[in-house]
Amino acid sequence: NAGVMQNPRHLVRRRGQEARLRCSPMKGHSHVYWYRQLPEEGLKFMVYLQKENIIDESGMPKERFSAEFPKEGPSILRIQQVVRGDSAAYFCASAAPQPTDTQYFGPGTRLTVL
Amino acid sequence: RKEVEQDPGPFNVPEGATVAFNCTYSNSASQSFFWYRQDCRKEPKLLMSVYSSGNEDGRFTAQLNRASQYISLLIRDSKLSDSATYLCVSPSGGSNYKLTFGKGTLLTVNP
Repeated sequence: NAGVMQNPRHLVRRRGQEARLRCSPMKGHSHVYWYRQLPEEGLKFMVYLQKENIIDESGMPKERFSAEFPKEGPSILRIQQVVRGDSAAYFCASAAPQPTDTQYFGPGTRLTVL
Repeated sequence: RKEVEQDPGPFNVPEGATVAFNCTYSNSASQSFFWYRQDCRKEPKLLMSVYSSGNEDGRFTAQLNRASQYISLLIRDSKLSDSATYLCVSPSGGSNYKLTFGKGTLLTVNP
């Protein structure tokens, strides 16, 4: 049973470019969460999605960031016009149909903005 | 007061030692707590869940004190492989899914 998959594992972008981060949840999981870990900081919740629905995006910056979890395919976290402050590790987690279930984390995408 | 606050560490202990980490939380309504471990540049992995007064799993014991809003993690007979950052975690904001992570406590077990 494959775990949560994320790609790319490392992403380098220049300021002003777009970054697209992908997350495939564990088989049978329908809840996806995105977290960001800035250098020397704890993980911070960004957004919670179910298939085709954004349930809670209270942790997402108001501008440049968006997330989706389409009916088919992985969840995507999109960052437009990246800035140096966006450099961080972005982790995706998934959970089974009951949202109280344990969240399992993917290996993360390390975004570096030059 | 931060939602979840941990010992700053770092902790350096010899193999075989017993080490304890402390964590305080501010949301008295929180019902569940977790300890995750995170190896350098890796994802967090669930170590233990704590729903009542405590939980024990082999060399690891987690205790919860709701009156003091305090959680602890005890590791007995430390192994080199226990070296990692230990994260205290609780759902926040009235939700049961929005995990709030402490900054973590770095443990290094030395031979």
